[in-house]
Amino acid sequence: KAGVTQTPRYLIKTRGQQVTLSCSPISGHRSVSWYQQTPGQGLQFLFEYFSETQRNKGNFPGRFSGRQFSNSRSEMNVSTLELGDSALYLCASSFGQGEGNTIYFGEGSWLTVV
Amino acid sequence: SQQGEEDPQALSIQEGENATMNCSYKTSINNLQWYRQNSGRGLVHLILIRSNEREKHSGRLRVTLDTSKKSSSLLITASRAADTASYFCATPGADSWGKLQFGAGTQVVVTP
Repeated sequence: KAGVTQTPRYLIKTRGQQVTLSCSPISGHRSVSWYQQTPGQGLQFLFEYFSETQRNKGNFPGRFSGRQFSNSRSEMNVSTLELGDSALYLCASSFGQGEGNTIYFGEGSWLTVV
Repeated sequence: SQQGEEDPQALSIQEGENATMNCSYKTSINNLQWYRQNSGRGLVHLILIRSNEREKHSGRLRVTLDTSKKSSSLLITASRAADTASYFCATPGADSWGKLQFGAGTQVVVTP
């Protein structure tokens, strides 16, 4: 079955613009989470959604937002882009939220802010 | 600060050799997951080990977990050039199963 699918894979944006990234979880998975990966900060948690509800949010400014739809697909949005937002954004999905649920990641969306 | 810390930060070995990397974490956990990341790509899930398990195998991979020492190790046997990647351990957050906390990773280079 298909894995976690993220679109777009690569994008370049200008400072001040906004961007929307999309994630389709593995079929049947209801939990989706997002991570930012940069060389300096490593992998950092952004958000977690389960059944359209945000369950947890990482330590990121309000410019970072997300949502989950009834079909479990998720989007994240970054407004007023800054150079420091350049990163690999990874989406992950799992069946549920219980202990022992394997979490699978997509290939990521590479965002470059110029 | 990060929950997991991998050691060593970098490892260079030749094909056929074994590669061992360690992960230490700070708080009690219910499970620990290991991932591989090839340059510029996403994370590939390798193994999940539960807190009541001491050892788990998957192909050429062997993972151990010592909850008393809050540490885990990943052993790759008979390494291949295709094993060249960064390896991360991840533990669930105290407040959420889906909030993984990662270490900085171990960068493994396998030369032919």
